[in-house]
Amino acid sequence: AQRVTQPEKLLSVFKGAPVELKCNYSYSGSPELFWYVQYSRQRLQLLLRHISRESIKGFTADLNKGETSFHLKKPFAQEEDSAMYYCALSGGNNAGNMLTFGGGTRLMVKP
Amino acid sequence: ETGVTQSPTHLIKTRGQQVTLRCSSQSGHNTVSWYQQALGQGPQFIFQYYREEENGRGNFPPRFSGLQFPNYSSELNVNALELDDSALYLCASSLAPTVRNTEAFFGQGTRLTVV
Repeated sequence: AQRVTQPEKLLSVFKGAPVELKCNYSYSGSPELFWYVQYSRQRLQLLLRHISRESIKGFTADLNKGETSFHLKKPFAQEEDSAMYYCALSGGNNAGNMLTFGGGTRLMVKP
Repeated sequence: ETGVTQSPTHLIKTRGQQVTLRCSSQSGHNTVSWYQQALGQGPQFIFQYYREEENGRGNFPPRFSGLQFPNYSSELNVNALELDDSALYLCASSLAPTVRNTEAFFGQGTRLTVV
């Protein structure tokens, strides 16, 4: 079975502070990991995926297979980063068509 | 190019009733996936339709069923509604069924309340 855990329901930081949103997963094979974001009154949208190795809006995430983690980081938070963030996993084979989401972390960036 | 649209946006039903939710996929997308998001939780995969056939199912009972039409739009049907079915139902469309190879684009969701 595949599972994604986001241990923090709420993360509150000041503008300019570093941000790390934690994500741990369990999956026996080789997963693909994603971060989705939902800004206020907007739909859920893809932020980044580990396979792309991109930095999007200053955010990066590194897949650590040893620790089964995919934490999302940004060195300097901005107020517009305030949103709900979901970590998600896609497995291989016949599980490759579904996303398994974590419970989400609400990021609040205070001025 | 139009995005994923869902209807209705809100719905209130009585326990035991049946409900149909609708999703229009993004232009050119042949795959639609449905997710249930209970309050305070992440989305949970219900099932996926690819070229009008069910192509994977999550841990949901058979009273959750779906359809995909030739234009790739989709319906989610839930029979014998229970109070726990109250949730936000999300539809996502993509160019291909395997998430690894494409991006899933989500609709704004349908908020279902069962009383």
